[in-house]
Amino acid sequence: GAVVSQHPSWVICKSGTSVKIECRSLDFQATTMFWYRQFPKQSLMLMATSNEGSKATYEQGVEKDKFLINHASLTLSTLTVTSAHPEDSSFYICSARGGQGTTYNEQFFGPGTRLTVL
Amino acid sequence: AQTVTQSQPEMSVQEAETVTLSCTYDTSENNYYLFWYKQPPSRQMILVIRQEAYKQQNATENRFSVNFQKAAKSFSLKISDSQLGDTAMYFCAFGPSGSRLTFGEGTQLTVNP
Repeated sequence: GAVVSQHPSWVICKSGTSVKIECRSLDFQATTMFWYRQFPKQSLMLMATSNEGSKATYEQGVEKDKFLINHASLTLSTLTVTSAHPEDSSFYICSARGGQGTTYNEQFFGPGTRLTVL
Repeated sequence: AQTVTQSQPEMSVQEAETVTLSCTYDTSENNYYLFWYKQPPSRQMILVIRQEAYKQQNATENRFSVNFQKAAKSFSLKISDSQLGDTAMYFCAFGPSGSRLTFGEGTQLTVNP
């Protein structure tokens, strides 16, 4: 139980294009989803927190117009990187909290998406 | 602000031996949870062990155990009988009830044959 999927696992795009990353909770309802960014050999940096049906809360320094987050259902959240540039290249990880994980404030993580912007 | 500190960027251990990873945190909260996650080369975050702050008993999961010292705000992870598959980046994380998680900088553990 508590499986989170991410799609795609790896994407290469041209500078200036937009990329959408999907995060799905497969066997539980995720009331809250989180999006992280991780650079090589570094920790996870929280970008935003999204609750189903409401606007995402962005961390300081994260451009909400560049990183669009939608949490339209209890099993799906999407992150869209708009007008991507090479500096947006990174590893993006989503996590979900819900079900019995809520009791322990536990987050279940997706496998991550590697974004490369040329 | 809540902070999590892992003072050991890298550690190594011989297979079958025991290793302890340290973690300290700073908070004014009283009700919170602590976690150790591992991130192997696949980069999938995997929960290793969880500790509820209100529980005095240290959590144990097979070869993994913690030493939770609430007053000292310390939460170390002990790995017994280390295996090659334990090679990974280990992150300590802190989270008040219902809130976001704060992660430490990570400790890269290498298990040598």
